[in-house]
Amino acid sequence: SQKIEQNSEALNIQEGKTATLTCNYTNYSPAYLQWYRQDPGRGPVFLLLIRENEKEKRKERLKVTFDTTLKQSLFHITASQPADSATYLCALHDKLIFGTGTRLQVFP
Amino acid sequence: NAGVTQTPKFQVLKTGQSMTLQCAQDMNHEYMSWYRQDPGMGLRLIHYSVGAGITDQGEVPNGYNVSRSTTEDFPLRLLSAAPSQTSVYFCASRDLFSSYEQYFGPGTRLTVT
Repeated sequence: SQKIEQNSEALNIQEGKTATLTCNYTNYSPAYLQWYRQDPGRGPVFLLLIRENEKEKRKERLKVTFDTTLKQSLFHITASQPADSATYLCALHDKLIFGTGTRLQVFP
Repeated sequence: NAGVTQTPKFQVLKTGQSMTLQCAQDMNHEYMSWYRQDPGMGLRLIHYSVGAGITDQGEVPNGYNVSRSTTEDFPLRLLSAAPSQTSVYFCASRDLFSSYEQYFGPGTRLTVT
């Protein structure tokens, strides 16, 4: 069956450092992959989309890579801030099959 | 634009009761969908619609019904609530042709006792 894996353990990093979150998938060949941010008690908010023919996508302090050979996407937040603390979800396919998300905590 | 709105925000039901979760969007999006989110399970697709009069099942459709009579509204019906349906429900919408970005509502937290 199709499976998406994100690190279920929280990622704790210091302010100013780069946070890197991982999304791995199996039994699937998505045409594109999306990353969403979710704050407690709120719905997910779209951040970035990367297509299978794109290796890298950037938006301000955010960078996403997509390696279809490794079946992996990496999500980077540079110069992280406490306001970046949230759960980050990756999603595949147009119906959006979601991973369980990784909680990021940025401390001062 | 209000975006995607959901009502109610919280609901408690007894086993066997029925109810409808409301979802509306004012962005003229063709595509609308319902997800449930449970701890450790992530978001799972229940039903989706690509336009008025067209609906289809997602990953976990059992126990839920949907209909789409207008572009704006996509209600989710629980016919006979069960404790296993205790969850947070999210409605989402997107433009079917120009963007894959989905806009989510604020969610409805449902508890079935």
